[in-house]
Parts: sequence; structure tokens; C-alpha cells
Amino acid sequence: KAGVTQTPRYLIKTRGQQVTLSCSPISGHRSVSWYQQTPGQGLQFLFEYFSETQRNKGNFPGRFSGRQFSNSRSEMNVSTLELGDSALYLCASSLSLAGGLGLQETQYFGPGTRLLVL
Amino acid sequence: GESVGLHLPTLSVQEGDNSIINCAYSNSASDYFIWYKQESGKGPQFIIDIRSNMDKRQGQRVTVLLNKTVKHLSLQIAATQPGDSAVYFCADHPPYGQNFVFGPGTRLSVLP
Repeated sequence: KAGVTQTPRYLIKTRGQQVTLSCSPISGHRSVSWYQQTPGQGLQFLFEYFSETQRNKGNFPGRFSGRQFSNSRSEMNVSTLELGDSALYLCASSLSLAGGLGLQETQYFGPGTRLLVL
Repeated sequence: GESVGLHLPTLSVQEGDNSIINCAYSNSASDYFIWYKQESGKGPQFIIDIRSNMDKRQGQRVTVLLNKTVKHLSLQIAATQPGDSAVYFCADHPPYGQNFVFGPGTRLSVLP
């Protein structure tokens, strides 16, 4: 079974631009979470989507947004890029069989998208 | 894992020795825990997990120990190999409606 895939793998943008990152979860997985990873802050939770709805949100400004499609694929968007947005953006998927109402399930990560803002 | 200003501890071990990587978590209500391994340029890779109704779980060359009393998690790697060199993260999950919280990570270096 194919793992989580993310595109693009690398991206260079300039301040003020916007960017869209894409994530395809493992087949059958219904939950997709996004994380930002930087050397200074580590892995920080951005948001989680399940059944096309944002189920959980981290402490990031409104410039960071996302969505999930009916096939569970997800995109995240960052508008008005700042230098501090340079990071590795990771997507993780899980089965979420009980829709978040049952036992927690393992999250499997993709390889990430490395974003550099100049 | 604790959400703190990032200080990445480093553990250096000799090839063939056992490694023990420690992690503290802050939420006593967390009921699910995962260890991940992240190699340079890659996303975190699942190693092993444990639920709060257990205190020990074994996998292939790895063992996770959970001490809920002191909110401490450890990962033991037996007969450490050069391919084990990576950053290891613990993650804990509070119950319902919240998301995983990741520790700052520990960099494991395996010396030949």
C-alpha cells in the first residue's frame, strides 16, 4: 500500500506570495493532519481534517488554512508569506475508523514539503 | 511530549550497545503514545506505540516503557546499528478532541 505522498517536495517563494501544498493520504485513511517543523520550534500542529471538515486547529494565524476533498486528499494554503514561514510542512494520515470518538490511532507521515521564503 | 523552547538532546552510543531515549509528557490525561524516527530529509517514521493501559510493549529490537506516575516514556533500542542514527520523537495524545503533542526530539548518533 502506498504511503502518504506530498507535493511539491521543495518550494521557494518570496515574501508576500501565497503557496498551496498538497497531501494524498494512505488509501482508506480518512483523517489528515498538517504540521510545521522548524529547528527552533520543533513539530507544531496546524490542523486536522476528517470527512472534509476541520476537526481540530492549532495555534497558527489565519494566513494558514486548509481543506479536504471527498477522496480524503488535502491541501493547505499559506497566504502573505513571511520569512518565518520557512519550514518543513508535514502531512500525516490515520484511519480514524470511529471518526475520532474511539481509541486514538497511529498517524503516518509523508516526506514533507520544504518551503523556503526569501 | 513537552512543548518547550527547543533544545535537542544528543545521545551517542557505540555500535552494538543498547540505547535508551527518554521523553517526558505533560498531560496526565494522555492515553496514547507513539515513538517516531526521523532521518535527515525525511518525514517521521512510526516505530512503536503504546496505550495507557500498558506499561511495556516490545517490537523488533525496540521496547517502549511507560510510567504514568511520573509521566515518562522511554524507547530502548537493542544492539544499536548505524542505520538507527536519526532524531527520535515521542508524541502523546490527550483524549477526545485534541491532537498529538510532540516532544523536541533526541538525536541519536551511533559511533562505529
